[in-house]
Amino acid sequence: EAAVTQSPRSKVAVTGGKVTLSCHQTNNHDYMYWYRQDTGHGLRLIHYSYVADSTEKGDIPDGYKASRPSQENFSLILELASLSQTAVYFCASSPHNNNQAPLFGEGTRLSVL
Amino acid sequence: GDQVEQSPSALSLHEGTGSALRCNFTTTMRAVQWFQQNSRGSLINLFYLASGTKENGRLKSTFNSKESYSTLHIRDAQLEDSGTYFCAAERGSNAKLTFGKGTKLSVKS
Repeated sequence: EAAVTQSPRSKVAVTGGKVTLSCHQTNNHDYMYWYRQDTGHGLRLIHYSYVADSTEKGDIPDGYKASRPSQENFSLILELASLSQTAVYFCASSPHNNNQAPLFGEGTRLSVL
Repeated sequence: GDQVEQSPSALSLHEGTGSALRCNFTTTMRAVQWFQQNSRGSLINLFYLASGTKENGRLKSTFNSKESYSTLHIRDAQLEDSGTYFCAAERGSNAKLTFGKGTKLSVKS
C-alpha cells in the first residue's frame, strides 16, 4: 500500500539546537516535498526534490536545509532551530506522471522552546 | 497577493443541509486537490482534479481551469464532516502545491 511515513511524529527542541525531520516513501515516486503548517493556516512549501541527491528551494526555504540521499528518503534539517519554526511539518510524494494526487504523511508537530 | 483565495473562512451547517466552498486562483493552475483536515491534524485527500467534475458520496468537486476556480459541494452534512477543508492547486509540472487558507466547517445537530 502506498505510504509516506514521517518521523518523529512530534518533537520538542531547544532554540539553537539542530533538528532533523525524516520522511520515507514506499511509492516509487520521483518527487518529494516538505511543507509547514502554522496554526490556523494552510501549508506552505519549504523544499522539494525531483531526484535523489538534488533538492530545490520552495516558497519559504530560509532557515531550512533538505537532503535526498535516495529516492525513498527526504529529510528536513533545521541547523539552528528558532521559536518561529514551531509548526506542523508535512512531507509528501508525487509521481513524475502528474495525473495522480500527491500523497501526504501524517505530519510532525515541532515545538521549539 | 495570494494565488489561492479560499472562501468562506468559516461555515456552520445544521445536519442534513449543504453548502459550497470555493477557491479562486489568480494564475493558471494545472490541477486542484481538496483535503479535509481532521481533529488529529491528518490531511485526508478528498479529490484531485485536472478538469471537470468528480463526485464521491455526499461530496462533489468541480475545477474550471479556464475561469480559474474550483468548488467543493457538501450535501446532507453529517457531524463527522466537521473539520477544516483546504484546496491546493498545482502551479506547474512538478506538482508543487499552493494551499488556500482553509474553511473551518462546523456541523451541528
